[in-house]
Amino acid sequence: DSGVTQTPKHLITATGQRVTLRCSPRSGDLSVYWYQQSLDQGLQFLIQYYNGEERAKGNILERFSAQQFPDLHSELNLSSLELGDSALYFCASSADHRTDTQYFGPGTRLTVL
Amino acid sequence: QKEVEQDPGPLSVPEGAIVSLNCTYSNSAFQYFMWYRQYSRKGPELLMYTYSSGNKEDGRFTAQVDKSSKYISLFIRDSQPSDSATYLCAMGRSGGGADGLTFGKGTHLIIQP
Repeated sequence: DSGVTQTPKHLITATGQRVTLRCSPRSGDLSVYWYQQSLDQGLQFLIQYYNGEERAKGNILERFSAQQFPDLHSELNLSSLELGDSALYFCASSADHRTDTQYFGPGTRLTVL
Repeated sequence: QKEVEQDPGPLSVPEGAIVSLNCTYSNSAFQYFMWYRQYSRKGPELLMYTYSSGNKEDGRFTAQVDKSSKYISLFIRDSQPSDSATYLCAMGRSGGGADGLTFGKGTHLIIQP
């Protein structure tokens, strides 16, 4: 158990809908990262937050957004969902923005029908 | 050319064998290197972290980095059926700034009892 928690474990929704994925980092970690894992693309970095502020952006679509709250938990919002958004979404955390080791949560499996 | 190349396998070896897993990369900005293990439908688990060229050993695992050749390896000694999983190499650009990790697509390893 990495200490990173994610909810829900599974999410099934329809095209055009909006969903919110939640992540709680390890105790004491200030940085949260979001990744998408699909069969064809592998694990892709989406976005990073550090202590409530956005720090880095990767291959994140404009339909997706994230935030980190004062209690350091983070939410990833996915809107106008398409079939191709079906994937595993992982959250990872690290102690601070200078720490290179990232610990991953169990993931949320999103299915868009 | 992808930034990180990793043979997807599957790689099947008998129990007790030494396993060699490899990744090549093209971006010389990568400064730190990690290996993650991922069981089916689970989150990636950090196995090894290295910052410089050379070898690092932890139990049955040895990570090797050759920055001049842009080549990294993970060796598993005395392999066990419980080592059967997908192994992902991951790389980061800077230890001092914000960034997500760049992953290989993973090698599916099967240890035959």
